[in-house]
Amino acid sequence: AQSVTQLGSHVSVSEGALVLLRCNYSSSVPPYLFWYVQYPNQGLQLLLKYTSAATLVKGINGFEAEFKKSETSFHLTKPSAHMSDAAEYFCAVKGGGSNYKLTFGKGTLLTVNP
Amino acid sequence: DTGVSQDPRHKITKRGQNVTFRCDPISEHNRLYWYRQTLGQGPEFLTYFQNEAQLEKSRLLSDRFSAERPKGSFSTLEIQRTEQGDSAMYLCASSPTSGTLDTQYFGPGTRLTVL
Repeated sequence: AQSVTQLGSHVSVSEGALVLLRCNYSSSVPPYLFWYVQYPNQGLQLLLKYTSAATLVKGINGFEAEFKKSETSFHLTKPSAHMSDAAEYFCAVKGGGSNYKLTFGKGTLLTVNP
Repeated sequence: DTGVSQDPRHKITKRGQNVTFRCDPISEHNRLYWYRQTLGQGPEFLTYFQNEAQLEKSRLLSDRFSAERPKGSFSTLEIQRTEQGDSAMYLCASSPTSGTLDTQYFGPGTRLTVL
């Protein structure tokens, strides 16, 4: 079975500061991992995904994430926060083989202070 | 490509009433998923279709819930005899068939409030 733990339900940073959102996963098979962003009253938008091709994955809006198998982590980072980054971020793991469902973490709310 | 659409965006109903939601996936996406998201939680998987076949159902999907995808295009999710615990955001996603890794694209969701 797959599971995801997002450490920190709320992260607050200043504009221009580093953003670090933590995600640890548990998977019985080689994982496929995703980060999604959700703005208020909207659906989820894909930021990036880990496909096993490269451990450092670059996504949209300047975000990137590094897959570390030894730490079972897939933390999301952005060098310089922008006010428009304020949103809720979800890490998800996909089931292996023919199991297509996503298992999500509880989410991390990012606030960006001017 | 207009993305995944869901209708209605908001639904307020009284306990005991039946409600139905509709999802239109991205055209040519043959996989369609339903998730439920409650306040402060991540989305939880409910069910998924490949074309018109419903291939997996979560135990979260009680007998009061039914989902269909006639002709493999749009899908409907019906909740009978709604309860206050059904209040949530219901999200639909679709994905193409491309090997075992298929990115799911989400719609804006239907927010259900049961009074």
